[in-house]
This record gives sequence, structure tokens and C-alpha cells, in this order.
Amino acid sequence: AQSVAQPEDQVNVAEGNPLTVKCTYSVSGNPYLFWYVQYPNRGLQFLLKYITGDNLVKGSYGFEAEFNKSQTSFHLKKPSALVSDSALYFCAVRGFSGYALNFGKGTSLLVTP
Amino acid sequence: GAGVSQTPSNKVTEKGKYVELRCDPISGHTALYWYRQSLGQGPEFLIYFQGTGAADDSGLPNDRFFAVRPEGSVSTLKIQRTERGDSAVYLCASSPGVASGGPETQYFGPGTRLLVL
Repeated sequence: AQSVAQPEDQVNVAEGNPLTVKCTYSVSGNPYLFWYVQYPNRGLQFLLKYITGDNLVKGSYGFEAEFNKSQTSFHLKKPSALVSDSALYFCAVRGFSGYALNFGKGTSLLVTP
Repeated sequence: GAGVSQTPSNKVTEKGKYVELRCDPISGHTALYWYRQSLGQGPEFLIYFQGTGAADDSGLPNDRFFAVRPEGSVSTLKIQRTERGDSAVYLCASSPGVASGGPETQYFGPGTRLLVL
């Protein structure tokens, strides 16, 4: 079985500061890892994914994530946060076989001016 | 359309009633997924379609839940004898469904918020 954990319910960051949203995973074999963002009353929007190759993945809106196999982590990062980045962020994992995404509980990001 | 659409956006029903939730995937996408998101939780997988057939329905919680996709495009999630615990946001997603089976990106609709009174 595969799963992800998002240890922080909420992350608070001042605008212009770097942000990190943490995610760790558990999966048999090589993982496929995803980050999605959810704004109020809207569906999930895809940010980025890791399949294989370079451990640093770049995605939409200036976000990037670093895959760390030894630490089984896939933390989401952005060098300079914007107030408009405030939203709910979900990490998800998919195993080598199967098609379902297994999501974490989500981390609420609040960026203050 | 440009993205995945779901109707209705909100549905209020009474315990014991039957409901149908509709999903229109991105045009040309052969893979379609249903998820359920309870308050304060991440989405949970319900069922996956490749074309017209349900390739994986392991996430359906019980036999009150059923989904169809008769023509390989629009899908309907059906819930019989609704219970208060069924209240949640039901999300639909689609992906191209390339035969290679690689980890495609799933594109989500806005969801249907179901409230069972």
C-alpha cells in the first residue's frame, strides 16, 4: 500500500520569504509523486509531478519540489511567496501499478503581506 | 469544454434518497476517476474508468455506490439510500489514458458538494 504524510496542518509565511510545504511518502518500489493546490470552492489544480530523473522538479506558478529518496520526502518549495499562494496544498503518491492517487490530508498555506 | 465539468455544483438531499452526480471529462480523455473528499481530508479514490469499463472500483465504500460511463465520455456516480455520512465533495478527474499506462496527470473538476440531511 502507498501513502503520504503531510506533517503540518498549516504553514504561515510572510510575503517575499521562501516557503516549504513538507511531504513524506511510503510506497513499494519507485514512487510517482504529485502536488496539487486547492483554492476555496474550486477543484484541485495540478502543480507538478516526479516520475524519474532529476530530483528537482519545476512546476507551475514558480513552485518546485525536491525528491529525496533516502528521506522518502517530496517537499514543495517556492523561493518567494505571494499572498495569492495562500491555499490548501495536497501531496499525492501513485505506485508503479494501479492508477489511484493517494492524497495526504493537506496543508493550509497562509502568506501574509 | 476546456476542463472537467461536474453537475450539479451543490446537491442537498434527504437521508434515504437516491442521487446522481455527473462528470464531463476533458474532450478526448479516455481515463476517468471519481474521488470523495470529506471535510478536512484529502480526496479518497472511489473508481477508475478506462473507456466504458470500470478498471478499478476498489474504492467504492459499499454497494450503495455505483458509477457508469456508457459511451466512454460522460460518467454518472449513483448513490442509493443516501446516509448522512455520504456528505462530502465528490471530485471527478480525467487523464488522456495513453496505453503505456504511465503516471499521467489527472485533471480535476470543481466537484459536487453533496449534503445529506
